[in-house]
Amino acid sequence: AQSVTQPDIHITVSEGASLELRCNYSYGATPYLFWYVQSPGQGLQLLLKYFSGDTLVQGIKGFEAEFKRSQSSFNLRKPSVHWSDAAEYFCAVFGGATNKLIFGTGTLLAVQP
Amino acid sequence: DAGVTQSPTHLIKTRGQQVTLRCSPKSGHDTVSWYQQALGQGPQFIFQYYEEEERQRGNFPDRFSGHQFPNYSSELNVNALLLGDSALYLCASSSLGGRADTGELFFGEGSRLTVL
Repeated sequence: AQSVTQPDIHITVSEGASLELRCNYSYGATPYLFWYVQSPGQGLQLLLKYFSGDTLVQGIKGFEAEFKRSQSSFNLRKPSVHWSDAAEYFCAVFGGATNKLIFGTGTLLAVQP
Repeated sequence: DAGVTQSPTHLIKTRGQQVTLRCSPKSGHDTVSWYQQALGQGPQFIFQYYEEEERQRGNFPDRFSGHQFPNYSSELNVNALLLGDSALYLCASSSLGGRADTGELFFGEGSRLTVL
């Protein structure tokens, strides 16, 4: 069965520092992969997606993610974090067999001034 | 261009009651999915509606039911509410229209349900 693991429940970084949020997935074939962001009390906003092709994908707000098949990972990165990036980040996987988007448990990002 | 809209935004119910949540998909979208997000958890898939039929269903009891209308809007109904049903209920829309599903979803702001 498909699954998504986000090993870091909570991460704190200083404003201006780089960021990497980890995501590992379990799926037999190449899945479709997504990162969503959720601000407090809000719905989810799509940051970026990977379907096929170039394994480094660019998203909104300066985020990027790299698909590594050998590691079953799809880590989210940002070179310089802004205070407004404080939010919860969810990795998700979609595989055609089940036709549903499966989410990880999320990583809560705090940004220190 | 209106995105996904949900109503109500907040509501409080007591155990045993019934609740109906409503969702209007993004313009041009024909498919609606519902997710439950408990506090501190990731969203859990409830079901998906396309062409007024339930297309997929997650691991939720029959107390959770839904409907899709000809204008693509949707309702989520939960009967015999339990304390554990307290959560943020998210509606998401997408466009299938005979194409392969890529899983990409556009989410509303959610309906926060509190069961006392």
